[in-house]
Amino acid sequence: AQKITQTQPGMFVQEKEAVTLDCTYDTSDPSYGLFWYKQPSSGEMIFLIYQGSYDQQNATEGRYSLNFQKARKSANLVISASQLGDSAMYFCAMSENFNKFYFGSGTKLNVKP
Amino acid sequence: SAVISQKPSRDICQRGTSLTIQCQVDSQVTMMFWYRQQPGQSLTLIATANQGSEATYESGFVIDKFPISRPNLTFSTLTVSNMSPEDSSIYLCSVGSGNYGYTFGSGTRLTVV
Repeated sequence: AQKITQTQPGMFVQEKEAVTLDCTYDTSDPSYGLFWYKQPSSGEMIFLIYQGSYDQQNATEGRYSLNFQKARKSANLVISASQLGDSAMYFCAMSENFNKFYFGSGTKLNVKP
Repeated sequence: SAVISQKPSRDICQRGTSLTIQCQVDSQVTMMFWYRQQPGQSLTLIATANQGSEATYESGFVIDKFPISRPNLTFSTLTVSNMSPEDSSIYLCSVGSGNYGYTFGSGTRLTVV
C-alpha cells in the first residue's frame, strides 16, 4: 500500500485565493511526522511545515497551515492568499520515527493572475 | 537547520561516462541521504550514507552504479557511473533536521545525451 497519497496531480487557483492540497497517509506506527515541501522549477526542495502525530493543534507557518485529521489519516496543506510565486510542485511526506521518509507523488500548483 | 552546498547544479554528460556529485554540510551529521527524482516523478531514496561504513542501498540501486563516499561527518559524494539517458534526473542529497524533516541540497540536474 502507498504510504503517502496525493490525489491531485495538478491544481489551479486564482491569485489571492486560498487553496487546499490533499494528502492521506498510511502507517501503523503511533509516532510519526508529516511534512510538506515545495519544489519550484529550479529543483530545490523547500521545507514548508511540519505536524507531529501527537500534536494537538494544527500546525501553521505564515500563509501555510496543515489541516491534520488523525482519524482520517489526512494532512492537507492550506495555502491562504495565493501568490504567483506559489506556483510549484508540492510534496507531502511522512517519517516514521525519522528513520525513513516517504514522499507522495506531488501536486503541481498553478496560480493564475 | 543545516545548510547544504551541492554541486554541480547541473550538467550535460555523454553516455558511458561518470559524474560525481558533491554535498558539503555546514555541521556534522550522522546520516546523509541521496535521492533521485526522475522527470515528473517523486523522490526515490537511492542510499543512506553513514560515516565510516558502507552506504546502505535501497532496492533497485547498486553500489557499482551509484558508488558513494562519506569520508567525514560533513561531506559525501555520489557518483553516477556508466551513464545512460535513463539516468537523466535531479539528484538531491539531504540530512535529517529533526522537526524540519529533511534539509535538501539545491539539487543536481543531470542530462545524459
